[in-house]
Amino acid sequence: DQQVKQNSPSLSVQEGRISILNCDYTNSMFDYFLWYKKYPAEGPTFLISISSIKDKNEDGRFTVFLNKSAKHLSLHIVPSQPGDSAVYFCAGLNTDKLIFGTGTRLQVFP
Amino acid sequence: KAGVTQTPRYLIKTRGQQVTLSCSPISGHRSVSWYQQTPGQGLQFLFEYFSETQRNKGNFPGRFSGRQFSNSRSEMNVSTLELGDSALYLCASSYGGTGNTEAFFGQGTRLTVV
Repeated sequence: DQQVKQNSPSLSVQEGRISILNCDYTNSMFDYFLWYKKYPAEGPTFLISISSIKDKNEDGRFTVFLNKSAKHLSLHIVPSQPGDSAVYFCAGLNTDKLIFGTGTRLQVFP
Repeated sequence: KAGVTQTPRYLIKTRGQQVTLSCSPISGHRSVSWYQQTPGQGLQFLFEYFSETQRNKGNFPGRFSGRQFSNSRSEMNVSTLELGDSALYLCASSYGGTGNTEAFFGQGTRLTVV
């Protein structure tokens, strides 16, 4: 039972453009949603989170949008940079238990 | 402040053996969670320990077990290894308090079962 789904395994975006990574969930009990970024041979690094009672959270180039009625969240990166190339995981948090999606590999090309 | 430390970084074991992985959390963090990452499956939650007690558990067989010590360090044990246990095992630490959202991950232990 995949409670958090990232249906796009990969995304390719030109430098300077917007990257939009999507995530769907089925569990209505998540308190927070988080985005993590992972480079090869490293552990995931926390990027940004959003409370389930909010619909938007912004931190620099990163903005997360939450649509509770659609059970959908998205991460926007503007402008995209080559250093953003990595695998991005979204996760739902429920009572200190993180449930991750399968990840989306973002490649930002010059 | 030191980050999350996992040892060893790489491990090769044969089927049927057992293995113990170690995780030292960030100082002051009381919650340690373990995850398994395999291609196509993302990060799957194994279990979470807080103050030496298992507080959450994922859907893994009983061959996967863990424990946490009084200094918050945690170990994960896998008995009777199977080829499918080959994966990157990650641990994450956090304060573990209500509403805390940020977990910090270690670099992981790459386990290969042959």
